Amino acid sequence: EAQVTQNPRYLITVTGKKLTVTCSQNMNHEYMSWYRQDPGLGLRQIYYSMNVEVTDKGDVPEGYKVSRKEKRNFPLILESPSPNQTSLYFCASSLSTSFAANEKLFFGSGTQLSVL
Amino acid sequence: RKEVEQDPGPFNVPEGATVAFNCTYSNSASQSFFWYRQDCRKEPKLLMSVYSSGNEDGRFTAQLNRASQYISLLIRDSKLSDSATYLCVVRGVNTGGFKTIFGAGTRLFVKA
Repeated sequence: EAQVTQNPRYLITVTGKKLTVTCSQNMNHEYMSWYRQDPGLGLRQIYYSMNVEVTDKGDVPEGYKVSRKEKRNFPLILESPSPNQTSLYFCASSLSTSFAANEKLFFGSGTQLSVL
Repeated sequence: RKEVEQDPGPFNVPEGATVAFNCTYSNSASQSFFWYRQDCRKEPKLLMSVYSSGNEDGRFTAQLNRASQYISLLIRDSKLSDSATYLCVVRGVNTGGFKTIFGAGTRLFVKA
């Protein structure tokens, strides 16, 4: 089944303790991205990747890192989480990087992160 | 000014009503446009892509006006199951790179 797998679904941690949220897609998609969703603000893009070893900042990259060593995986790393990073996170992918193609985004099921 | 703006609602409508959502975007170089539906704290799911010629899928009709930088979604004969948040999504290249921008969403409640 074609899907984006995101783990964990829920995560509670403490300030400063490094964590990684994993994202994997089995559709050979070129484009992958991370979003956070906060009440009243909608989804905001953290980082995106156009292909292996090609990553770029979105609108809210501060406090986050990503890597794209393989096409299928795009982990989100919080080196030193802070309470303002408490949020609902989504990973997404699309087939190509041609935005003119109207290709849809496939989403993971989300990670609810709480930083205490 | 937000890059993609939507009326947050909520829209409260009775079953069978017709409801329209609007969305404006600021980047004239935007290339592709979508409406997504999101149920509470779940992942967004594609409702439909939006084309300049307008497109229809059952009870749903989407329109794009590139000149006015405006996107609309019309839902006819609303069902209880249409209750959700509707997200306007715009993808394209701007000064910040290749971006996918979401509107904050319009909340719809359909009541019996």
